[in-house]
Amino acid sequence: DVKVTQSSRYLVKRTGEKVFLECVQDMDHENMFWYRQDPGLGLRLIYFSYDVKMKEKGDIPEGYSVSREKKERFSLILESASTNQTSMYLCASSLGPVSSGANYFTNSYEQYFGPGTRLTVT
Amino acid sequence: AQSVTQLGSHVSVSEGALVLLRCNYSSSVPPYLFWYVQYPNQGLQLLLKYTSAATLVKGINGFEAEFKKSETSFHLTKPSAHMSDAAEYFCAVTYTGGGNKLTFGTGTQLKVEL
Repeated sequence: DVKVTQSSRYLVKRTGEKVFLECVQDMDHENMFWYRQDPGLGLRLIYFSYDVKMKEKGDIPEGYSVSREKKERFSLILESASTNQTSMYLCASSLGPVSSGANYFTNSYEQYFGPGTRLTVT
Repeated sequence: AQSVTQLGSHVSVSEGALVLLRCNYSSSVPPYLFWYVQYPNQGLQLLLKYTSAATLVKGINGFEAEFKKSETSFHLTKPSAHMSDAAEYFCAVTYTGGGNKLTFGTGTQLKVEL
């Protein structure tokens, strides 16, 4: 079974602090994602990465940065936490394209999620 | 760009009754569609997925969904609700060339009453 773990389930930080959220997956997945989840808004993509040291902005990247130095680990960084960043943060991973023969790839697109980190910024 | 709309942010059913959670998608190319479930204080778990094979997809816990291109829908059903089905359900869409990203709906909270 794929396992995605997140460093903390609950976190309380003060305004202005630098916050690190860590995510680790154990299935050699190419892609990793960070979402925030807020009531009535569903999941919104913050950043994603499709390879080591590669990152792309999602829909709401402002106020966040990410780091992927190793394939299994994807970190979300809040440079200066603010109260409007109080939220549930979810990490996910997916396998990515798999070769099925010469020049033919399949992709399941299925994402596997960690348990989430509930961050409160006071 | 693709999107999904989940009609009804809260749905309440009696135990043993039919569960119907609605999802409509918008995509200019053939979509891949997913339903996820989230139990309180947990991450999301995949219920089922449509990847252009059979239009009726069966998932875990007795859930199924039918892809209807003419209606651009992918509604989730279960014939008989159980108390343990109480959770939040999310529909999501992507497509080939979509950069491996999923676009999620805003979720439907399912309540099951005795």
